[in-house]
Amino acid sequence: DTAVSQTPKYLVTQMGNDKSIKCEQNLGHDTMYWYKQDSKKFLKIMFSYNNKELIINETVPNRFSPKSPDKAHLNLHINSLELGDSAVYFCASSQGSLGTEAFFGQGTRLTVV
Amino acid sequence: AQTVTQSQPEMSVQEAETVTLSCTYDTSESDYYLFWYKQPPSRQMILVIRQEAYKQQNATENRFSVNFQKAAKSFSLKISDSQLGDAAMYFCAYRSPNAGNMLTFGGGTRLMVKP
Repeated sequence: DTAVSQTPKYLVTQMGNDKSIKCEQNLGHDTMYWYKQDSKKFLKIMFSYNNKELIINETVPNRFSPKSPDKAHLNLHINSLELGDSAVYFCASSQGSLGTEAFFGQGTRLTVV
Repeated sequence: AQTVTQSQPEMSVQEAETVTLSCTYDTSESDYYLFWYKQPPSRQMILVIRQEAYKQQNATENRFSVNFQKAAKSFSLKISDSQLGDAAMYFCAYRSPNAGNMLTFGGGTRLMVKP
């Protein structure tokens, strides 16, 4: 079984559309994250949830809204998609302690045309 | 805020040789963790090795080892006996206890392995 799974793996959509990316982890972790990897491969945190509570919200446009229905799921909804939103979005999870490994999903490549 | 810098955008190594990837970071914290992640063309992020700031002993995982210099804020990754499967992007990352345990990544180093 995949530890952290994201759907879909690829998403091609037109500017102005609204789309969602789903993430689920079966590791029993209490913290989940969304990271964005741009075209130059730079990875940056977007959001972090701990036990369904938002604890990190980096300077991300309001068009991006995470939702955590339970601690095993963290979905990302994006409104009014723009060309600049094209990137790979990674979901990750970890236990609360500092040294534990963060497990990543396989990423969702979003292309806005 | 912490920053992580990888000064080598690309490196290449001959198969079976040794290569060292550089990473420096900036922090005022005393307790933190450092990680190296590998991202092959499949896009999957794979943990290579981790180091706790309080441990003076350098971490080792099979052919992978680090040179952790806390005072210099340096955390390099050495890959010995390089294999074709080591070709990938390598990311250095910093984890702080004061930032929700999020990872701050360096810009990455693309490693090419020549047969």
